[in-house]
Amino acid sequence: AQRVTQPEKLLSVFKGAPVELKCNYSYSGSPELFWYVQYSRQRLQLLLRHISRESIKGFTADLNKGETSFHLKKPFAQEEDSAMYYCALYSGSARQLTFGSGTQLTVLP
Amino acid sequence: DGGITQSPKYLFRKEGQNVTLSCEQNLNHDAMYWYRQDPGQGLRLIYYSQIVNDFQKGDIAEGYSVSREKKESFPLTVTSAQKNPTAFYLCASTAAAGISNQPQHFGDGTRLSIL
Repeated sequence: AQRVTQPEKLLSVFKGAPVELKCNYSYSGSPELFWYVQYSRQRLQLLLRHISRESIKGFTADLNKGETSFHLKKPFAQEEDSAMYYCALYSGSARQLTFGSGTQLTVLP
Repeated sequence: DGGITQSPKYLFRKEGQNVTLSCEQNLNHDAMYWYRQDPGQGLRLIYYSQIVNDFQKGDIAEGYSVSREKKESFPLTVTSAQKNPTAFYLCASTAAAGISNQPQHFGDGTRLSIL
C-alpha cells in the first residue's frame, strides 16, 4: 500500500529565508507526486506536480526516487507563502490520491 | 462561476442519526471524491466515483454511504454506524478518473459535529 509522510506538522521561517517542506513516500510502482496548498480561508488547490517539472510561485520540487522523496523548496520565502501544504501520491492501480498529513508553514516578517 | 459547492458549511448531528452532506459540481467532471480531514492526519479517502451510477470504497468507508445518480451530484451519508463522525469533510472532482495529471478541484468543506 502507498504511504506519504510529511514529518513536520509545523514549520516557521523568516521572510527571505530558504524553505524546504519534506515529503517522503512509499510506493511499489512508478510514483506520480503532487503538492497541494491551502491558504487561509481558501480552498485546497494544486500547487505543482512532479511530472510537469514546473516552478509555481517560486516553489520547485524534485522527485528523488533513490531517497523516495519529493521535497518542496523555495529559495526566498514570502509572508504570502504561509499556508498548509499537502504532499500527495497518485496510485494508478487504485486511481486515487494518497495525501500526507500536511505541514503548516508560517513565514515570519 | 464553475466549481464545487458543498452544503451545509456546518452540520450538527445527534447520536444515532444519519446525516447527508451535499456536493454539487458544475465543472462537467466525471470523477468525484469524498475525503475526511482530521487534525494531524491529512486527508483520507472515504468513497470515490469515476462515473455516474458507479462508486468505490476508499480507505475509510465504514459507516458511510454514497450515491451517484447524476453526474453533478455526489452526496455522502454519515450513518449512525460511524463511530467517530466529528470531522471536516471535503468533496473533490477531476475531469476524468485514471488520468494522474488531472488536478483535483475541492469544495469549501462541511464541518460535522456531534451534539
